[in-house]
Amino acid sequence: AQSVTQLGSHVSVSEGALVLLRCNYSSSVPPYLFWYVQYPNQGLQLLLKYTSAATLVKGINGFEAEFKKSETSFHLTKPSAHMSDAAEYFCAVFSGNTPLVFGKGTRLSVIA
Amino acid sequence: KAGVTQTPRYLIKTRGQQVTLSCSPISGHRSVSWYQQTPGQGLQFLFEYFSETQRNKGNFPGRFSGRQFSNSRSEMNVSTLELGDSALYLCASSLTGSGSYNSPLHFGNGTRLTVT
Repeated sequence: AQSVTQLGSHVSVSEGALVLLRCNYSSSVPPYLFWYVQYPNQGLQLLLKYTSAATLVKGINGFEAEFKKSETSFHLTKPSAHMSDAAEYFCAVFSGNTPLVFGKGTRLSVIA
Repeated sequence: KAGVTQTPRYLIKTRGQQVTLSCSPISGHRSVSWYQQTPGQGLQFLFEYFSETQRNKGNFPGRFSGRQFSNSRSEMNVSTLELGDSALYLCASSLTGSGSYNSPLHFGNGTRLTVT
């Protein structure tokens, strides 16, 4: 069965600093990987997805993620944090005909 | 195009009661998935319906049930509510189902259920 582990339940960065949110996956078959963002009192919004076409995936709002098979990782990055990036971020995986499995989430705080 | 609509947004129920939550998917989407979100457990998959048939089911007790109608709208029901059922219940729709990378999940804003 596939799973994802998000390292760090809470990450705090200064405005303008690099954002790095970590995600490691476990899957017995090539996975499809996603990052979602959740703002307060809202549902989840798709940021980006990895589907094996390219290892570096660009998403919305300036975020990108790199798939590294050797490290079983799919970390999310953004060069310069904005106050509006403060939210909870979820990494998710599925492989085959299975439901999407989410990590526990990482809450990102941006300090002015 | 309208997004996924969940009603109601907030519910307060008493232990032992039952509750029904509703989800209207994006027009044209045939798959509806339900997730329970709690601070301790995160997002946990409840079930998925596709064209009125349950396609996948998570590891939840039989008190949790769902159904999908011919117009793709879905309902989930929780009977004999327990305090631990307090959570944000999220519905997500997709064109062909959660197991497709070309058809990502689109989430509603959820129904927050509080059991007292």
